[in-house]
Amino acid sequence: ILNVEQSPQSLHVQEGDSTNFTCSFPSSNFYALHWYRWETAKSPEALFVMTLNGDEKKKGRISATLNTKEGYSYLYIKGSQPEDSATYLCAFEGNTPLVFGKGTRLSVIA
Amino acid sequence: NAGVMQNPRHLVRRRGQEARLRCSPMKGHSHVYWYRQLPEEGLKFMVYLQKENIIDESGMPKERFSAEFPKEGPSILRIQQVVRGDSAAYFCASSPHGNSPLHFGNGTRLTVT
Repeated sequence: ILNVEQSPQSLHVQEGDSTNFTCSFPSSNFYALHWYRWETAKSPEALFVMTLNGDEKKKGRISATLNTKEGYSYLYIKGSQPEDSATYLCAFEGNTPLVFGKGTRLSVIA
Repeated sequence: NAGVMQNPRHLVRRRGQEARLRCSPMKGHSHVYWYRQLPEEGLKFMVYLQKENIIDESGMPKERFSAEFPKEGPSILRIQQVVRGDSAAYFCASSPHGNSPLHFGNGTRLTVT
C-alpha cells in the first residue's frame, strides 16, 4: 500500500509570516509529485507538478522543492495572506493513479 | 470553457436505494477519475476510466459499486443498495492525458439515512 504522508496536519499562522509544510512519499516507482490547493466549498486546484529530483517551482509567493531520492517535497508560502487559507494536498504519481496525502490545513489569521 | 461538472451537489438516499452520481469532464478531456473522501480522511482513489473503458478499478469496492464512461454523455458512478458507510463526498476529476494535472469537480455529497 502506497503511503503519502503530510505534516503538519494543520497550521495556524499570522498574516505576513512565512511557512512551510512537508510531503513524504515512496522513493520507488516515482513519476511525479503533485501539489493541490483546496479552498473550503471549492474543488482542489493544481499548483505544481514536479518530476525532476532537485526541481523547484514557484507561483507568486508559493514555491515547492522536490527530493526524489529521499522521498520528500516541501511547500513554502512567503508572507502568508488570509486568502492563502486552504488545505494543501500533495499526491504521488507512480505507476498507479494519483495517491493523495490527507493534506495540511492552513489558517492565516489577519 | 466549463470545468468539470458534477451533479447532483447533494444526494440523500435511504438505506437500500440506488445512488447515481454524474460527472461531465472538461471539454477535450478523455480521462476520468473518481475519488471518495470519507469523514476525516483524504481523497481515496476509486476508479480510472477512459471513453468506454475501465482502466483501473483497484479502489472500487467489489460489490454494489460500478462506474462507466460511455462514448456519449457523462461518466456515471453507481452505488446499489446504499448503506450508511457509503456516506461521503465523491469527487470526479479529468485530464487530457494520463494523470497530469487533474481538474476536479465540486463533488457530490452523498448522505445515506
